[in-house]
Amino acid sequence: QKEVEQNSGPLSVPEGAIASLNCTYSDRGSQSFFWYRQYSGKSPELIMSIYSNGDKEDGRFTAQLNKASQYVSLLIRDSQPSDSATYLCAITDTGGFKTIFGAGTRLFVKA
Amino acid sequence: SAVISQKPSRDICQRGTSLTIQCQVDSQVTMMFWYRQQPGQSLTLIATANQGSEATYESGFVIDKFPISRPNLTFSTLTVSNMSPEDSSIYLCSALDGSNTEAFFGQGTRLTVV
Repeated sequence: QKEVEQNSGPLSVPEGAIASLNCTYSDRGSQSFFWYRQYSGKSPELIMSIYSNGDKEDGRFTAQLNKASQYVSLLIRDSQPSDSATYLCAITDTGGFKTIFGAGTRLFVKA
Repeated sequence: SAVISQKPSRDICQRGTSLTIQCQVDSQVTMMFWYRQQPGQSLTLIATANQGSEATYESGFVIDKFPISRPNLTFSTLTVSNMSPEDSSIYLCSALDGSNTEAFFGQGTRLTVV
């Protein structure tokens, strides 16, 4: 079982819709959870971090964490064509320093 | 967060040769890491670069193939040794922010081995 699992997509949504990205992880000792955005040919960019159960909102982005279910999600409201990218779910390992990435979900927002 | 400068940004190398990638952070950081991202794949951690001591390698990666240096808290190098076409990939330097929780990245080195 992979440590971080994501649906590879592609996920296609119309402009203005809500994009929902999901992720599960296997390490129950993980304490930190992240969503990175990666445009083609670029390095990953951190867009959300979440450390406790529940929701965390930042602008059009909402991260949701459920440690009991080992589940992390990212909602993007009012999706824009500029949101088209690969979204990487990541966790820190039990030691708390190494960041482990999922395979990523490709998102396409159609104008 | 701090800024990471990585060079070269890309290179085309002959098989059997070695390439050293440099990573410079504009402030002192405790933790630095090297990742590989093969075409169409996610990031795989190669090793943790430890300041003043040998790097800690992940399963499947060995020091003879990927020697790493970290002479101080702002600089690290990764060497890809005795390259083969299978080493063609993007190599990314990463560091943790001041709170040692969030990872940020250099711009990556795109390596093609012919």
